[in-house]
Amino acid sequence: DIQMTQSPSSLSASVGDRVTIACRASQGISNYLAWYQQKPGRVPNLLIYAASTLQSGVPSRFSGSGFGTDFTLTISSLQPEDVATYYCQKYNSAPVAFGQGTKVEIK
Amino acid sequence: EVLLVQSGGVVVQPGGSVRLSCEASGFNFADYSMHWVRQAPGKGLEWVAVTNWDASSTFYAESVRGRFTISRDNTKNSLHLHMSSLTTEDTAFYYCAKSATHVQWLVLDHWGLGTLVTVSS
Repeated sequence: DIQMTQSPSSLSASVGDRVTIACRASQGISNYLAWYQQKPGRVPNLLIYAASTLQSGVPSRFSGSGFGTDFTLTISSLQPEDVATYYCQKYNSAPVAFGQGTKVEIK
Repeated sequence: EVLLVQSGGVVVQPGGSVRLSCEASGFNFADYSMHWVRQAPGKGLEWVAVTNWDASSTFYAESVRGRFTISRDNTKNSLHLHMSSLTTEDTAFYYCAKSATHVQWLVLDHWGLGTLVTVSS
């Protein structure tokens, strides 16, 4: 099965900073990559699918890129409400797999 | 508005069984694949299982295959997860989730609030 590895596991940044989270698949998955945000005490929320397509209602400061094995989630200007854990997910085929998560905090 | 209402938390003994339920509303349930995802307290997300729109096709994570069964009743807009041979490793919040579209059937765009399953003697 394909494994998903995120880096870093956690990060701390200042409000307004540009934040980048990486996700690597153990095999190529084309653009079958989604990103989810899980705020503390809340359920996960879909941010991006097809590697770079923003889900309806998601702020434009979030963007995704990548293809094959290497993907990136970028927050262009970090806001206090972006404090959360972010997960990538591969979905080229079942079984689905999530990355281990990246916890984003405000410095 | 899409709503996924899950059954209440349960405590079950190791080796025991339990059935989780998820009642859907606000969308045409029979048109969508449905998933179960779990999250141990303080840990990351682990996908568990998926059923396609008519339950003719199901897939499971290796960690639960042979022990868990996903099912659905399209006449009652309900999704179920029957869990057996439970161990302490199965203690987690279990979320039901709706697929985004027929094509993006493995992308999850709405999630229930979760059911805490505690496996303990």
